[in-house]
Amino acid sequence: DAGITQSPRHKVTETGTPVTLRCHQTENHRYMYWYRQDPGHGLRLIHYSYGVKDTDKGEVSDGYSVSRSKTEDFLLTLESATSSQTSVYFCAISDFGLSYEQYFGPGTRLTVT
Amino acid sequence: AQTVTQSQPEMSVQEAETVTLSCTYDTSESDYYLFWYKQPPSRQMILVIRQEAYKQQNATENRFSVNFQKAAKSFSLKISDSQLGDAAMYFCAYRSRSSGDKLTFGTGTRLAVRP
Repeated sequence: DAGITQSPRHKVTETGTPVTLRCHQTENHRYMYWYRQDPGHGLRLIHYSYGVKDTDKGEVSDGYSVSRSKTEDFLLTLESATSSQTSVYFCAISDFGLSYEQYFGPGTRLTVT
Repeated sequence: AQTVTQSQPEMSVQEAETVTLSCTYDTSESDYYLFWYKQPPSRQMILVIRQEAYKQQNATENRFSVNFQKAAKSFSLKISDSQLGDAAMYFCAYRSRSSGDKLTFGTGTRLAVRP
């Protein structure tokens, strides 16, 4: 298994509070991604990073920000959580190149009440 | 933008039988990869098989094979000799250089395996 962990694995928070999810890898892969998974939508890309301090938006980036200060860590922050952000969040890593698979973390289930 | 469509929200197969999951995609690119990922109840995403667009030969991995029809933009997954452990959500995904090496996923097909 690829060395990729997510923390926390489960979180319940209230509307309006900030939340930070952490993704940590031990594979030294260049690319890191944050997805959310919702029923009927599959996995949708929130933000991704192609190197330290290099990040870009995905298709559902509103309300989310990211940071990557080290190769191994990629943080996803919900500045002010809303109920629509209740979801399962997956981090993924990949080396550079189309053929390389993305390895996924175990996911974080976030509930915003 | 590239889109990936999985038109079968749910499928069911008898143990030991064969099932085919459908996937179509829309792209104007010529250089891309297609993937099938499996997500069992544990929620872990697992790569099942990948196909390079330039290769005409269909990819196979043990009991899993694909039918890649480039002109039709179709990429179906065939599971032979289905096992109880094959029960999962299956996601088709597309990746190209012009999309920044990002994966675009379909909405998934939930496969049930009947004993």
